[in-house]
Amino acid sequence: KAGVTQTPRYLIKTRGQQVTLSCSPISGHRSVSWYQQTPGQGLQFLFEYFSETQRNKGNFPGRFSGRQFSNSRSEMNVSTLELGDSALYLCASSLNPSLGGYTFGSGTRLTVV
Amino acid sequence: QQPVQSPQAVILREGEDAVINCSSSKALYSVHWYRQKHGEAPVFLMILLKGGEQKGHDKISASFNEKKQQSSLYLTASQLSYSGTYFCGTEIEGAQKLVFGQGTRLTINP
Repeated sequence: KAGVTQTPRYLIKTRGQQVTLSCSPISGHRSVSWYQQTPGQGLQFLFEYFSETQRNKGNFPGRFSGRQFSNSRSEMNVSTLELGDSALYLCASSLNPSLGGYTFGSGTRLTVV
Repeated sequence: QQPVQSPQAVILREGEDAVINCSSSKALYSVHWYRQKHGEAPVFLMILLKGGEQKGHDKISASFNEKKQQSSLYLTASQLSYSGTYFCGTEIEGAQKLVFGQGTRLTINP
């Protein structure tokens, strides 16, 4: 079966711009989580969606937002980009985290210049 | 609160054993273990739920001590393919989010 698909794989943006990242979960998975990965901070939780509802949010500024559509696809948006937003953004989906954990996508590498 | 993993890095020869520890200051519902190879996505290894249990498949196993809020990942007779960074992810009941440790970089040499 198809895995978690994230697009685009790479992005270069300028400070002050905004960006939208997309995530298509495994078919049937209704839970989608987003993480930011950097060498210094590791994997940091951004938010989690289930059936179009945000159930939890990490400690990120309001510039980071997301949404989930009725087909479980999810997008995250970062507005007014800062240099420190450069990171690998990972999306993970799950049918039931308590049984099968999360399946991660390959990520979107965002570089802010 | 981010769990603490130890050691931060370990270098082994093929065939040797490794133990990676994960400690939390919070009462946990579950502990997940993932392995990430360079340039790739993290891959789910196993999950342990509160109640204290031990799991394993092949030569990779893990335990969860609920009293101490600690989990350990055991890799026995390590293979070259075990190289990568191992992350524990902890979940508090009802939180619907994983908080990951900083990772343990495991290098297996021939």
